[in-house]
Amino acid sequence: GESVGLHLPTLSVQEGDNSIINCAYSNSASDYFIWYKQESGKGPQFIIDIRSNMDKRQGQRVTVLLNKTVKHLSLQIAATQPGDSAVYFCAEKGGSYIPTFGRGTSLIVHP
Amino acid sequence: NAGVTQTPKFQVLKTGQSMTLQCAQDMNHEYMSWYRQDPGMGLRLIHYSVGAGITDQGEVPNGYNVSRSTTEDFPLRLLSAAPSQTSVYFCASSYGGVGTKNIQYFGAGTRLSVL
Repeated sequence: GESVGLHLPTLSVQEGDNSIINCAYSNSASDYFIWYKQESGKGPQFIIDIRSNMDKRQGQRVTVLLNKTVKHLSLQIAATQPGDSAVYFCAEKGGSYIPTFGRGTSLIVHP
Repeated sequence: NAGVTQTPKFQVLKTGQSMTLQCAQDMNHEYMSWYRQDPGMGLRLIHYSVGAGITDQGEVPNGYNVSRSTTEDFPLRLLSAAPSQTSVYFCASSYGGVGTKNIQYFGAGTRLSVL
């Protein structure tokens, strides 16, 4: 079936570096994508989203890039801080009622 | 606004016991969902609802039951708990529809252990 996957289950970076978290999706009908951050012991929280008619969207220190040709999504975090340590999920919204989540990437930021 | 409230936060059950995990939201969201999250795994959809009186199965519905009698509440029932149901359970809600209406708001989770 259609699925959303992540290339890297764990990403370790140094504080101050830029982080890039990747996500591959396979449903070409998906028209909306969401990134969530899940801190330890908490539920996922919305970070940023992007519609399929866009290829880039910027937030505060975060940027999401969408490449529909290769069905790839990435989340870039600038000047990564220890507070960015969390699990990051991408989710895609296609024809189903509820968005489909990927497996998640654990980001570890070393001081 | 409390957002999405889940109770209890922690629960220990014996095999074969039944229980209900509660979920309530005060954002007037039509869509509500239950997920389970196992170590090293993502979020797997158990059941969801697109409005009061309407529910449907997700990816892993076996052993769980839901109902949606009001817009605010979406309880998840474990009929006969099994060790395989040891997990963290998250409830989420959204407006549902297109674009940003699909952004889900999650509760803090219920950590369930079945012995």
